[in-house]
Amino acid sequence: QKEVEQNSGPLSVPEGAIASLNCTYSDRVSQSFFWYRQYSGKSPELIMSIYSNGDKEDGRFTAQLNKASQYVSLLIRDSQPSDSATYLCAVNRGRALTFGSGTRLQVQP
Amino acid sequence: SAVISQKPSRDICQRGTSLTIQCQVDSQVTMMFWYRQQPGQSLTLIATANQGSEATYESGFVIDKFPISRPNLTFSTLTVSNMSPEDSSIYLCSGGQDREQYFGPGTRLTVT
Repeated sequence: QKEVEQNSGPLSVPEGAIASLNCTYSDRVSQSFFWYRQYSGKSPELIMSIYSNGDKEDGRFTAQLNKASQYVSLLIRDSQPSDSATYLCAVNRGRALTFGSGTRLQVQP
Repeated sequence: SAVISQKPSRDICQRGTSLTIQCQVDSQVTMMFWYRQQPGQSLTLIATANQGSEATYESGFVIDKFPISRPNLTFSTLTVSNMSPEDSSIYLCSGGQDREQYFGPGTRLTVT
């Protein structure tokens, strides 16, 4: 079992729709959870962090954490073609991050 | 947040040679890390760069191959030694204070 699992996609949504990205993790001691966006040829960019159960909203992005189910998700509202990228889920079990394989999101105009 | 720069941005090297990658952070950070990202893959942690002491390497990575220095809280280097084509990858430096980490733009290395 991988430590951090994501559906590789691609996830295709029409412009204006809600994109839902999911991530599960195996280590219950994980404390911090992150979503990074990575455009092709670029380095990962931190877009959301979440540390406690529940929802955290920032603009069009909402991160959801359920530690009992070991599940993290990212919702992108009003998806735009500029949101097309690979989204990496990352988990911090101490100091360094463990990354999932990423989900490629395609937003169709 | 932290702004991180890396040099060089890319390089093409011959097998058997070594390349040193520099990472500079615009502010003091407690944590600095080096990752590798191979084409179409996710990020793999190489090591934690510890200020003033030896780096902590992940399984599969050794100091002789990837020596790391971190002389202060804003700067680190990663050397890829005795390179082979399998070392062709993007090497990323990250840093942060507390729990959040920010990435540099990466160094794209091609070994011929």
